[in-house]
Amino acid sequence: DVKVTQSSRYLVKRTGEKVFLECVQDMDHENMFWYRQDPGLGLRLIYFSYDVKMKEKGDIPEGYSVSREKKERFSLILESASTNQTSMYLCASITGMNTEAFFGQGTRLTVV
Amino acid sequence: QKEVEQDPGPLSVPEGAIVSLNCTYSNSAFQYFMWYRQYSRKGPELLMYTYSSGNKEDGRFTAQVDKSSKYISLFIRDSQPSDSATYLCAMRNTNAGKSTFGDGTTLTVKP
Repeated sequence: DVKVTQSSRYLVKRTGEKVFLECVQDMDHENMFWYRQDPGLGLRLIYFSYDVKMKEKGDIPEGYSVSREKKERFSLILESASTNQTSMYLCASITGMNTEAFFGQGTRLTVV
Repeated sequence: QKEVEQDPGPLSVPEGAIVSLNCTYSNSAFQYFMWYRQYSRKGPELLMYTYSSGNKEDGRFTAQVDKSSKYISLFIRDSQPSDSATYLCAMRNTNAGKSTFGDGTTLTVKP
């Protein structure tokens, strides 16, 4: 079974803090994605990566950056957390054939 | 206007009912169509996947894609309380791994 593991289920951070969300997958997938999920807005793509050290902006990259130093790990960074970044963050991993996405359990981030 | 529109719900049905969940889309380049199920406080999990137009059946679940109308549906037969979840449609074109998601429909199946 493919496993996509996010480092934290729940996180509370203060405004202005630098926040790291980690995601690890164990199936050697090339493609990894970060989404945020908000009520009434669905899943919105923040960043994605097709390979190590490669990254592409999604639909809402402002205020975020990413790092992919190893194939299995894709990190989302909030440079200076703000209250409007309070959300559920979901990491996903996709096979090389681009047929389906496997999601992590999600990190519910609250910025106070 | 959003690329993918999903019936918002919420939907509440009695156990045993047939459930129909629907999405429309505007991007004719979409070729892969997925339905994900998301239980409360969990990540989405793939339920059904269809390439191009047609029907696909898996147990109590049937996915339909009508590319001419840009319309996809998920049918759940003999619905069970364990089907209570949020259902997300998602679509992708042939060249990119990124999917565009609907906002989700929350379904409650009452015993």
